[in-house]
Amino acid sequence: KQEVTQIPAALSVPEGENLVLNCSFTDSAIYNLQWFRQDPGKGLTSLLLIQSSQREQTSGRLNASLDKSSGRSTLYIAASQPGDSATYLCAVREYGNKLVFGAGTILRVKS
Amino acid sequence: NAGVMQNPRHLVRRRGQEARLRCSPMKGHSHVYWYRQLPEEGLKFMVYLQKENIIDESGMPKERFSAEFPKEGPSILRIQQVVRGDSAAYFCASSPTRDRGSSGNTIYFGEGSWLTVV
Repeated sequence: KQEVTQIPAALSVPEGENLVLNCSFTDSAIYNLQWFRQDPGKGLTSLLLIQSSQREQTSGRLNASLDKSSGRSTLYIAASQPGDSATYLCAVREYGNKLVFGAGTILRVKS
Repeated sequence: NAGVMQNPRHLVRRRGQEARLRCSPMKGHSHVYWYRQLPEEGLKFMVYLQKENIIDESGMPKERFSAEFPKEGPSILRIQQVVRGDSAAYFCASSPTRDRGSSGNTIYFGEGSWLTVV
């Protein structure tokens, strides 16, 4: 059974810092991995999607990497801003289209 | 192109009543998924549907919960005889029929329906 773990559970940083969020998964037989952002009381916004054959994806200040063999992914946020404060969710997509989510990392960027 | 539309956004039901949550997928998407987010927990898969077919319902509770995605109209998640433990955010997601490359594999989520059982 696939399990996804995100570390740390919560993170508080001053504005401008670069930071890394970690995600690990137990079964490497995945179709892709997706990072989402969730604001309180809101839905999920897709940030980056990495196919199982890819190593990384970049969008603006965000960079996500994937090491499928070791079951790890990282989300790197450069020059963090208060507007980045949210919960970040990692999800692996199994063959059969099911997403398995981690519990999330709650990020707070202080101004 | 409107995103995944869910309604109602907020729903309050008394114990024993029925809750119906609706989801209209993005235009051109024929795959629909329902996920539940309990307070202080991550999202858990419930069911995966295509038009008129349930593909995977391995995450659905055995009793009181049902889902459909008819040929016409939105997908419906139905919870009968609700209990306090059903209070949660229910998210619908959709994806395209065919693989359109890296971006086409993205699953898009709606804003969620928050169910409160009193």
